[in-house]
Amino acid sequence: EVQLVESGGGLVKPGGSLRLSCAASGFTFSSYSMNWVRQAPGKGLEWVSSISSSSSYIYYADSVKGRFTISRDNAKNSLYLQMNSLRAEDTAVYYCARDVPRITGNFDYWGQGTLVTVSS
Amino acid sequence: EIVLTQSPATLSLSPGERATLSCRASQSVSSYLAWYQQKPGQAPRLLIYDASNRATGIPARFSGSGSGTDFTLTISSLEPEDFAVYYCQQRSNWEYTFGQGTKLEIK
Repeated sequence: EVQLVESGGGLVKPGGSLRLSCAASGFTFSSYSMNWVRQAPGKGLEWVSSISSSSSYIYYADSVKGRFTISRDNAKNSLYLQMNSLRAEDTAVYYCARDVPRITGNFDYWGQGTLVTVSS
Repeated sequence: EIVLTQSPATLSLSPGERATLSCRASQSVSSYLAWYQQKPGQAPRLLIYDASNRATGIPARFSGSGSGTDFTLTISSLEPEDFAVYYCQQRSNWEYTFGQGTKLEIK
């Protein structure tokens, strides 16, 4: 069974940093591109970042470029999101999501999400 | 950035009725359009990818159509569990974007 479990969310002050993790199981993690998608409270979905299976290709939404860094450790079946210079508008539930097999950019499995709150 | 506009914002229907949800792109996304369902407190679930392909395990009452800039998600006969928020999403370029969502509510 495919499982994605996020962790690392919490309350952080504006300008602070946080590192999210996503532990993957039930599939060959090293064969899939992975993604972070966020959802502000009561709002819609926003794609944040993607990383290819071997980390060769990395993309970011303009809203986080230069502040967030996506990475992965295939040996540990884990995906990460380092978030720096956090702003109030980064407050959201952050989901990790797997690409559909052989279909880059659609997401077939999602974690349960981890809440990041940026507030003083 | 490709903007996706969904309509209507809210759709009120009864179980057994047919639901038609629309998604319009600000420029062509070819057939690279997906649909997701999200229920309160849950992660989104992929329903349709590449405009018309049902994801694994998705019932046949869900269907997608369209290409270019205009897309439709159809639920042929609503079941009680179908009332939720639906999002479209494009993968035409690497800057993936979602629509703002359509809330399907019980009439």
